Amino acid sequence: DAGVIQSPRHEVTEMGQEVTLRCKPISGHNSLFWYRQTMMRGLELLIYFNNNVPIDDSGMPEDRFSAKMPNASFSTLKIQPSEPRDSAVYFCASSLEGFTTNEKLFFGSGTQLSVL
Amino acid sequence: GQQVMQIPQYQHVQEGEDFTTYCNSSTTLSNIQWYKQRPGGHPVFLIQLVKSGEVKKQKRLTFQFGEAKKNSSLHITATQTTDVGTYFCAGRPNFGNEKLTFGTGTRLTIIP
Repeated sequence: DAGVIQSPRHEVTEMGQEVTLRCKPISGHNSLFWYRQTMMRGLELLIYFNNNVPIDDSGMPEDRFSAKMPNASFSTLKIQPSEPRDSAVYFCASSLEGFTTNEKLFFGSGTQLSVL
Repeated sequence: GQQVMQIPQYQHVQEGEDFTTYCNSSTTLSNIQWYKQRPGGHPVFLIQLVKSGEVKKQKRLTFQFGEAKKNSSLHITATQTTDVGTYFCAGRPNFGNEKLTFGTGTRLTIIP
């Protein structure tokens, strides 16, 4: 299995521009998670989906952030408009089950986002 | 909300020395997971502990889950340069369908 695939690996953009991050979870996994990692705040859960349905988006920082999962093999995280404080590494992760207590997460390689 | 703290935040050790990181939760956990993130990499699952007082070993790594299921530790014996990275614990509260919360992480550097 190729694992969780994220694109792009690096994104440099200017403040005010729209940014779209993409993720392909491991085939057969029912849950997908978007995390943001910064030195100051560590790993923060932004949103997670179970069977393509958003279950908890309480971690989404602002209305500028939105996430979709149109099918079981694809998800996007969009920031519009982007701001310098959005600069971080964004990880996508997937897991086999959504609500059991024994799920482990498989992370993608992340997208390093820099907003100038 | 639930908080998961790790100490120390940073640890520098001489190669061959032992290393321990501690994880403390504000709430009782149903289970605890440990992840390792190499510099520039992504978190990779290491192990999960479920039972109160559970101890598991992976070669030079020993993981413990506290009796009260509110704390955990990871001990590495005789560190090697390949152990460099940030170690995260992650726990889920022992009620409802609460989400996994990651600890603040301990960054380990090895002095050759």
